[in-house]
Amino acid sequence: QQQVKQSPQSLIVQKGGISIINCAYENTAFDYFPWYQQFPGKGPALLIAIRPDVSEKKEGRFTISFNKSAKQFSLHIMDSQPGDSATYFCAASMMNSGYSTLTFGKGTMLLVSP
Amino acid sequence: GAGVSQSPRYKVAKRGQDVALRCDPISGHVSLFWYQQALGQGPEFLTYFQNEAQLDKSGLPSDRFFAERPEGSVSTLKIQRTQQEDSAVYLCASSPGGSMNTEAFFGQGTRLTVV
Repeated sequence: QQQVKQSPQSLIVQKGGISIINCAYENTAFDYFPWYQQFPGKGPALLIAIRPDVSEKKEGRFTISFNKSAKQFSLHIMDSQPGDSATYFCAASMMNSGYSTLTFGKGTMLLVSP
Repeated sequence: GAGVSQSPRYKVAKRGQDVALRCDPISGHVSLFWYQQALGQGPEFLTYFQNEAQLDKSGLPSDRFFAERPEGSVSTLKIQRTQQEDSAVYLCASSPGGSMNTEAFFGQGTRLTVV
């Protein structure tokens, strides 16, 4: 059972365009929703995260939109740049017995063309 | 060190061989996590340590997988009698507290190829 579903699998965007990646989750106990960015040969790095008490969070060119009733959240990358080309993972977690672990989506490979 | 360090970066093992993967977390980080990332997939949770205590090993795929963190810092993931399906990148992450709900820092991973 895949608890976090991510789409699309891959995405090509022109430089300056908007990249949009979507995720849906099933477990309503999830209470933290981060996005990770991974470059080839590197580990994932936290990009931006949101909690379910807000509907949107913006950090620079990156925005998370969160729809609690639909159990969906998305990442928007404004003014996409070639340096943004990477694999993006959405994730979700919940506290359980004093600790939490992340459940990841399958990832979206983003290519920003010059 | 400045970040989470994993070694070796690459490991090729013959089927049936035992392997040991090392993780040096950020100094002082209480929590340490191991994840398995198959090719083209997202990371999947394997096990969690809080200091030296292994509090969760629910993600270990079989009893061939064993992890330890005896002194609450360096951790080793051991895989016995490796199989081809064990081929993946093994990621280690650490965080200051008991949660990944704040920034958890990942290492670069060890790419294991079983031939």
